[in-house]
Amino acid sequence: DIQMTQSPSSVAASVGDRVTVTCRASQGISSWLAWYQQKPGKAPKLLIYAASSLQSGVPSRFSGSGSGTDFTLTISSLQPEDFATYYCQQAKSFPYTFGQGTKLEIK
Amino acid sequence: QVQLVESGGDLVKPGGSLRLSCAASGFSFSDYYMTWIRQAPGKGLEWVSYISDSGTTIYYADSVKGRFTISRDNAQKSLYLQMNSLRAEDTAVYYCARPNNWFDPWGQGTLVTVSS
Repeated sequence: DIQMTQSPSSVAASVGDRVTVTCRASQGISSWLAWYQQKPGKAPKLLIYAASSLQSGVPSRFSGSGSGTDFTLTISSLQPEDFATYYCQQAKSFPYTFGQGTKLEIK
Repeated sequence: QVQLVESGGDLVKPGGSLRLSCAASGFSFSDYYMTWIRQAPGKGLEWVSYISDSGTTIYYADSVKGRFTISRDNAQKSLYLQMNSLRAEDTAVYYCARPNNWFDPWGQGTLVTVSS
């Protein structure tokens, strides 16, 4: 199975900050990577797919980059509604696997 | 709009069984693969099972293989997960989702609690 490792596990930031979350795959996955946002008590929401494509309706302050084994999710200017947990997911091969999550908290 | 609604979650004793359902609307259900994903309390996401549009191709996570059975009824636009020999570690919110490599959309989830 492909292991996905996110860092950091949690981060505290302020409104207006630029935040970057990293996801590393245990083997190359080309651009077969997605990012999700999950708020407490809610289902995850797709933000980014194919490593860098923004899902329809997602604000442009979210962006994704990377290929192969190393990927990043960047939020250019944090808004209050962005405080949530973020997960990466590989779609290169079954079983599809998720990172352990990065909790973005208010500083 | 595209919508997925899960049901069937409950409190069940270890060794028991439960059947989850997911009702789809707003898209041509029979044209899409479908999947179940779960999330244990306070934990991350775990992909559970996957079924092709026709139901002929099925995958399971090793953690549920031999105990869970995924199925679908395209006429009823419904997805199912039959869970047998349930264990405490199966306690989770179970989500159905529409996969296209990535998962979108997701249902709201249904809680399964396995406890004596």
